[in-house]
Amino acid sequence: DGGITQSPKYLFRKEGQNVTLSCEQNLNHDAMYWYRQDPGQGLRLIYYSQIVNDFQKGDIAEGYSVSREKKESFPLTVTSAQKNPTAFYLCASSTERYEQYFGPGTRLTVT
Amino acid sequence: QKEVEQDPGPLSVPEGAIVSLNCTYSNSAFQYFMWYRQYSRKGPELLMYTYSSGNKEDGRFTAQVDKSSKYISLFIRDSQPSDSATYLCALFSGGYNKLIFGAGTRLAVHP
Repeated sequence: DGGITQSPKYLFRKEGQNVTLSCEQNLNHDAMYWYRQDPGQGLRLIYYSQIVNDFQKGDIAEGYSVSREKKESFPLTVTSAQKNPTAFYLCASSTERYEQYFGPGTRLTVT
Repeated sequence: QKEVEQDPGPLSVPEGAIVSLNCTYSNSAFQYFMWYRQYSRKGPELLMYTYSSGNKEDGRFTAQVDKSSKYISLFIRDSQPSDSATYLCALFSGGYNKLIFGAGTRLAVHP
């Protein structure tokens, strides 16, 4: 069953703690992306990776970090430097940049 | 001015109605036009994408692009309660090399 998995579905953390969100895909896609979605706003690009061991900052990369050691995996770390980390985080992958497929999302709440 | 404008709704219609969802954009460089459907607390699902002006039909869904007016539409015929979701438009240009999302329109189809 091909697709994108994100875990966990819900995540709760205390302010000041780093947290890592998982994203795995078995679609054999080269490119992977992380987006953030806030109520009433469109998706905003955090980081993207077009190939293993390479990634680029998106529009709102400050306070986040990523790695791409395997084609299938693109974990996102939300660091304590991110001012407003509470949000819905979405991972996507694609072969063509315009045809992106999304995972189910992780809802992060930081208190 | 936002690059992509989308009325957030909510739009409430009776079952069986024809629904029209729209986005306007400001940059004529956009080449690909996507529509995503997002159920509550889920990841967006790619419904359709089009390249260039004109219509594209898939079952009850029709995507329409008018590049001269910088206006895109998604029509849903014979709407069903299961169509109740948020619909996001997304645009892509090689120059930006990323998807630009509208904020989404919330649709409710009541029996």
